[in-house]
Amino acid sequence: SAVISQKPSRDICQRGTSLTIQCQVDSQVTMMFWYRQQPGQSLTLIATANQGSEATYESGFVIDKFPISRPNLTFSTLTVSNMSPEDSSIYLCSVVLANSYEQYFGPGTRLTVT
Amino acid sequence: EDQVTQSPEALRLQEGESSSLNCSYTVSGLRGLFWYRQDPGKGPEFLFTLYSAGEEKEKERLKATLTKKESFLHITAPKPEDSATYLCAVPSGGSGYALNFGKGTSLLVTP
Repeated sequence: SAVISQKPSRDICQRGTSLTIQCQVDSQVTMMFWYRQQPGQSLTLIATANQGSEATYESGFVIDKFPISRPNLTFSTLTVSNMSPEDSSIYLCSVVLANSYEQYFGPGTRLTVT
Repeated sequence: EDQVTQSPEALRLQEGESSSLNCSYTVSGLRGLFWYRQDPGKGPEFLFTLYSAGEEKEKERLKATLTKKESFLHITAPKPEDSATYLCAVPSGGSGYALNFGKGTSLLVTP
């Protein structure tokens, strides 16, 4: 497995502001993803974080709202821009380890927008 | 469109009362079926990956099985610490790795 950390673990933000979430893994990985889990719901994929190139977004998610960076194999950031209360969710990064098909999740970032 | 359906939505068991959770799926070319456990306020914890019909995997009181249309997570003699939400997921989309999750089964085991 891998040790995955996310910062911050939780935050309360004002409407209209932006928050950047960091994801760090302790070993090299092939794939990194960002998911959202709205209150009482299951996980929904936001995008695939591609190293050194633009992220690949799922239907319903756009780069202007959720810009993603992945400068190297072990680190990625997700920014939630111009936040509204509907963005209140848990945001999770996940990784697929090299030479593996298994996917592991970080502890999540609980975001509340007021 | 790939679909993952879990049942029941919620399950309450007495300690020691064995049961099974169901995950049915519709995908074009299964590339694995994943089971996770999620505790409140935490990220999903990886449990199992199953790749082919007939495959079984075990971990403590949990055993996962796979057929061509569904997977079962059997819980034998559960304890209160097994209380959690259990999620199943299948890879979907172009990358072959991004997961499409079911809505989960919320399990409560009472003493």
